[in-house]
Amino acid sequence: EAEVAQSPRYKITEKSQAVAFWCDPISGHATLYWYRQILGQGPELLVQFQDESVVDDSQLPKDRFSAERLKGVDSTLKIQPAELGDSAMYLCASSLRQGAGTEAFFGQGTRLTVV
Amino acid sequence: GDSVTQMEGPVTLSEEAFLTINCTYTATGYPSLFWYVQYPGEGLQLLLKATKADDKGSNKGFEATYRKETTSFHLEKGSVQVSDSAVYFCALSLTGNQFYFGTGTSLTVIP
Repeated sequence: EAEVAQSPRYKITEKSQAVAFWCDPISGHATLYWYRQILGQGPELLVQFQDESVVDDSQLPKDRFSAERLKGVDSTLKIQPAELGDSAMYLCASSLRQGAGTEAFFGQGTRLTVV
Repeated sequence: GDSVTQMEGPVTLSEEAFLTINCTYTATGYPSLFWYVQYPGEGLQLLLKATKADDKGSNKGFEATYRKETTSFHLEKGSVQVSDSAVYFCALSLTGNQFYFGTGTSLTVIP
């Protein structure tokens, strides 16, 4: 069964360092999402791509976070510099197309701890 | 704005008990509604969905009915098992396909 692949699964970094996460969506899925999930809360959207274009990054802290999906396939989310408050699970998801009713498929996530 | 409100947890039930997790929503348009489940240390998995009013989504014994008049999508299961222990998230999506998630309800089923 096709899955959304994320790496690494776990990452510990010191504050002020740079960190990057990678996501490979299900083949053929045009829409890709990055979500942040703080412990005990629901996922919150950071950025949404349609193919290689950003369609929503209104909640992305652009002073330190960046995301790209250069060829419209896999994607990288970067944080520089990391802060203690960035400790969370970072989830990547993909869906076949835009449109209400289309389910999103989630990866296993990257758990980031900033020390 | 668009949002989802879920019943506070945690919920602890004995095996074979009846489960209800309440979910209500606020949306500017006509959303699709979803229940996702998250097992410890894992990502979210779709449990069921409904795309229009009065639709019933069902999967693995879980059911939820899209009630437009009460803006609700409550999750139910007639007889829970230990393996159902997880965190359950209600979510909505609108055109443009952004998902809005509730805060999650933790369920523990004891033998």
